[in-house]
Amino acid sequence: QSALTQPASVSGSPGQSITISCTGTSSDVGGYNYVSWYQQHPGKAPKLMIYDVSNRPSGVSNRFSGSKSGNTASLTISGLQAEDEADYYCSSYTSSARVFGGGTKLTVL
Amino acid sequence: QVQLQESGPGLVKPSETLSLTCAVSGYSISSGYYWGWIRQPPGKGLEWIGSIYHSGSTYYNPSLKSRVTISVDTSKNQFSLKLSSVTAADTAVYYCARENSGSYSLGYWGQGTLVTVSS
Repeated sequence: QSALTQPASVSGSPGQSITISCTGTSSDVGGYNYVSWYQQHPGKAPKLMIYDVSNRPSGVSNRFSGSKSGNTASLTISGLQAEDEADYYCSSYTSSARVFGGGTKLTVL
Repeated sequence: QVQLQESGPGLVKPSETLSLTCAVSGYSISSGYYWGWIRQPPGKGLEWIGSIYHSGSTYYNPSLKSRVTISVDTSKNQFSLKLSSVTAADTAVYYCARENSGSYSLGYWGQGTLVTVSS
C-alpha cells in the first residue's frame, strides 16, 4: 500500500484557479469512486473539502471542485483567496484500507 | 454536533505501548459508522492507521497491522488505539475521526494529540 502521489507545492495569485493532482493505481484511485480531499491549516485538524470524487460537504465553498480520470484525481480551486493557503491531502479507499497522498502546499501569492 | 476528543500520555518510552482514547459526544457510537485513527509525524503528511466499525470489525494499515489494536467501548461511547513496540518513528500527532457513511471520507475529526516517543 503506497501513498498516493501529489505535487509537493503549487501556487497561484488571488482570483486565479489552480489544480492539484493525486495519482494512484487501479487498486485505489482508479478502482473506486471514493476519493476525498482535505484542507489543513497549520496546527489544525484536517477538514473534509470533497468526498466521493466530486461531492462537497455542506458549508464548503463551491469554489472547490473535484474530478477523476483513470488513476488520477484532481482538486480545483477557483477564485483563489488568501484563506485557501494551506496543505491539501487526497485520500482513497483501497481493499478495506485507506491511503493518503503525500500532501500539497498551496501558496497564494 | 458530533465532537471527538483524543486523550492519553504525551510521552511514551521506546519499546513500550502507546495507548490513546477517543471520546465521542453528540452521537452514539453504537448507532453506526466507521471510527478511525490517523497520524501525522511533525512536518510530514497524514497516515491512516486503521478503522473500527461500531460492531467491532477492524481494518488496519498493512504496514502497521502487526503492532496495532483498535477497540470500541460502546458503554463509554469511546474507541481506543494501542500501538506496541514504539520507536521514535511513531512520534506524531494522532487524530481520531468518524467516516461518513458509505463514503470512506472523514467528516469529523478530533483536534489531535501529540505523542512523543523518547526515553
